[in-house]
Amino acid sequence: AQTIHQWPVAEIKAVGSPLSLGCTIKGKSSPNLYWYWQATGGTLQQLFYSITVGQVESVVQLNLSASRPKDDQFILSTEKLLLSHSGFYLCAWSRYEQYFGPGTRLTVL
Amino acid sequence: GDSVTQTEGPVTLSEGTSLTVNCSYETKQYPTLFWYVQYPGEGPQLLFKVPKANEKGSNRGFEATYNKEATSFHLQKASVQESDSAVYYCALRYSGGSNAKLTFGKGTKLSVKS
Repeated sequence: AQTIHQWPVAEIKAVGSPLSLGCTIKGKSSPNLYWYWQATGGTLQQLFYSITVGQVESVVQLNLSASRPKDDQFILSTEKLLLSHSGFYLCAWSRYEQYFGPGTRLTVL
Repeated sequence: GDSVTQTEGPVTLSEGTSLTVNCSYETKQYPTLFWYVQYPGEGPQLLFKVPKANEKGSNRGFEATYNKEATSFHLQKASVQESDSAVYYCALRYSGGSNAKLTFGKGTKLSVKS
């Protein structure tokens, strides 16, 4: 069975500080991977997707970047956090349907 | 662009009553349609999908029919339980292209009281 793990579970960070969020998929080779952002009480917005190692496409510009250093790993990062980055970050994988991870709650103060 | 419109929440029901969450979409193609459910503090879970027009999807007592003519995909359940309290999202996806991008509705928060 496939499992998806996100880390950390939650982060509290200061405006202007760097950020790195991670996602690992086990039990599935060469999945398509996605990052989504969800404002508190809001809907899900796709940020990035990747169909293979080293290849990432941006869907929206939010002063964030993503990388896929390994087949089973997807990283979301920024060098400088903004207040607007607060929210719930979700990683997802797909073969045909998309399956979401447990998410990381980010609070920027 | 593509858009999905859902019943505005929150929706509060008593246990044993019926649920309908309306979902309509605008698109120039024939997408695959999904319902996802999200419990507090968790990622969304796929409830079910329907890839073809005029077919029905169902899971855990929930069901929805893909109505191509009306561009609708309403979620229904005959008798809700307290454990159904969650946020429900309608979503669509096109099969073409390398990005299987999901477009989500705004979500409908359901609270079921015992």
